[in-house]
This record gives sequence, C-alpha cells and structure tokens, in this order.
Amino acid sequence: GAGVSQSPSNKVTEKGKDVELRCDPISGHTALYWYRQSLGQGLEFLIYFQGNSAPDKSGLPSDRFSAERTGGSVSTLTIQRTQQEDSAVYLCASSSLAGGKYNEQFFGPGTRLTVL
Amino acid sequence: GQNIDQPTEMTATEGAIVQINCTYQTSGFNGLFWYQQHAGEAPTFLSYNVLDGLEEKGRFSSFLSRSKGYSYLLLKELQMKDSASYLCAVWGSYQLTFGKGTKLSVIP
Repeated sequence: GAGVSQSPSNKVTEKGKDVELRCDPISGHTALYWYRQSLGQGLEFLIYFQGNSAPDKSGLPSDRFSAERTGGSVSTLTIQRTQQEDSAVYLCASSSLAGGKYNEQFFGPGTRLTVL
Repeated sequence: GQNIDQPTEMTATEGAIVQINCTYQTSGFNGLFWYQQHAGEAPTFLSYNVLDGLEEKGRFSSFLSRSKGYSYLLLKELQMKDSASYLCAVWGSYQLTFGKGTKLSVIP
C-alpha cells in the first residue's frame, strides 16, 4: 500500500486479556516506531526498530508490553494482561532513514484500544 | 531527559496570523519537527528545522533557535481547516520526543 496501515482500527477488550496490534510499514522503510497517545496527552514513544538491529525498548511502560518485527517489515505490539490504563490510541510510524539524520516519520491511522 | 513545552490551547480568527511556540530541553538534538493532527486522525508532517532560522512553506513557517532551545510555528491566512492540534517534536538520540501539542481553534 501507499501508506502505513494498522489493524484493527478499534479494539475493545476486557481487563486481563491479551491483545495484539499490527502495523504494516511503508514498503522499503527500514525504521519502525510504536507510540501511544492517551486522551489529551502527547505521543509517548514505546519502541523503535531499525533494520535487523536490536530494538530500542526504552519506552515500554512495563514488561506486559512487547513488540516484534518479522522479516524487517510487519510489526506486532502485544499487551498482556491488559489494564484500564492501557486504553489509548496506539500509533505506528515508519521512516526511510535513521541514526540522527533527517527522518520524516509517516504515521498510520492508529488502533484505538479500550480496556473495560 | 527530554522536556518539550508548548501552550495547551490557542484560539485565532479566520484570516489572521497565529504563532505557536515550543521550548525544549533535550539530551540530544538532531532537528525539530512540527506535525499537524486533526481530531481522530494520525499526525502529518508540516516542517523540519535543523539549523537556526526560518523555514517557509506556503502559509506555514517554522523558526528555530538552538541556543535558546526555542521554536515557533507561524500560520498565516488562517483557514477553518487549520483547526487542529500542532505537535512540536525533537529528534534526539534515535527517537522523536513529542510535546503534548497545542490545540488551535480557528473561529469565523
């Protein structure tokens, strides 16, 4: 596709359940980012993948959060034992360069997660 | 650490000019971005500054002073469709740190 896609667009789950969120980056983009945006808040960095390098997980809020990127393309963000405070919009972005250089990030439409 | 400050809300009149300020203190600096985000939509890129000075792009301009840790986004000839949140973000060490955004309301 022409842009970053994410699925599902909306997810409602019960507290304690696990969820998986998917991101398809723009073809050829080597860098992939996950952010979280809670209501009225700025974007919170979660995790960053660059090529085959070990991901930067410094933004993950707890060990219930994990992410993987298979084949340098599609990424899955997994939240285990969801809590109500996990409710937010989860945004994925990709870019073609990384390493402190000009790096416009293209965002997907996001997944709105609601934990009841 | 990273700290980025911008006003929470602003209101301006259609056809007018508005300036949205952003101040930052970051451990690394490789450039500053401005993004626009309409309600319920993903952010979209507006501008990028890495050197001091003004970058102009149509109705939008962005200014950077690295010594002062300061940037602003200038929107001219405001249109109703410019009502959105404007996010200031600093590209530091391999990640982009966002401010909380400024919600701009354009009124007739």
